[in-house]
Amino acid sequence: GAVVSQHPSRVICKSGTSVKIECRSLDFQATTMFWYRQFPKQSLMLMATSNEGSKATYEQGVEKDKFLINHASLTLSTLTVTSAHPEDSSFYICSAREGQGGQPQHFGDGTRLSIL
Amino acid sequence: AQTVTQSQPEMSVQEAETVTLSCTYDTSENNYYLFWYKQPPSRQMILVIRQEAYKQQNATENRFSVNFQKAAKSFSLKISDSQLGDTAMYFCAFMTLNAGGTSYGKLTFGQGTILTVHP
Repeated sequence: GAVVSQHPSRVICKSGTSVKIECRSLDFQATTMFWYRQFPKQSLMLMATSNEGSKATYEQGVEKDKFLINHASLTLSTLTVTSAHPEDSSFYICSAREGQGGQPQHFGDGTRLSIL
Repeated sequence: AQTVTQSQPEMSVQEAETVTLSCTYDTSENNYYLFWYKQPPSRQMILVIRQEAYKQQNATENRFSVNFQKAAKSFSLKISDSQLGDTAMYFCAFMTLNAGGTSYGKLTFGQGTILTVHP
């Protein structure tokens, strides 16, 4: 149980392109979803917290107009990197959490984004 | 704000031996959870073990166990009978259960420890 699917796993595109990444909870309803960015051999950096039906809460320093987050249902959140540039190249990981209390976050497999 | 510190950037262990990864944290909260996640070269984040702060008994999951010292704010992970598949980056993480705060449900991660298991 507690499977999170993230798609696509790898994207290579030209500078200026917008890229959408999907995160789905397959066998549970995710009250909250999270988006992270990770550089090689470093820890995960939280970008934003997403609750179904409401606006995402962005961490300090994260551009909300650059990284658009939509959480349209209890099983789907999307991250759109708008007008991507080479400095946006990174590994992006989503996670989803069911319910409240001590429920852990369950992670997708990540998306490696490369902007040429 | 909470902080999580993993002071060992890299560790190595021989197959079948035991290794302990350290983690300390700082918080003024009293109600929280602690987690260890594993990230193998495939980069998938896998939950290894979790500990509820109000439980004194240390959590165990097969070959994985923790030594939770609440007063010392320490949460180490012991891996027994290490296997080659245990090679990964390990992250210690803290989650507050303070529902009134903005950090509810969020994870604060440590810097990670790269563990290599040698045959």
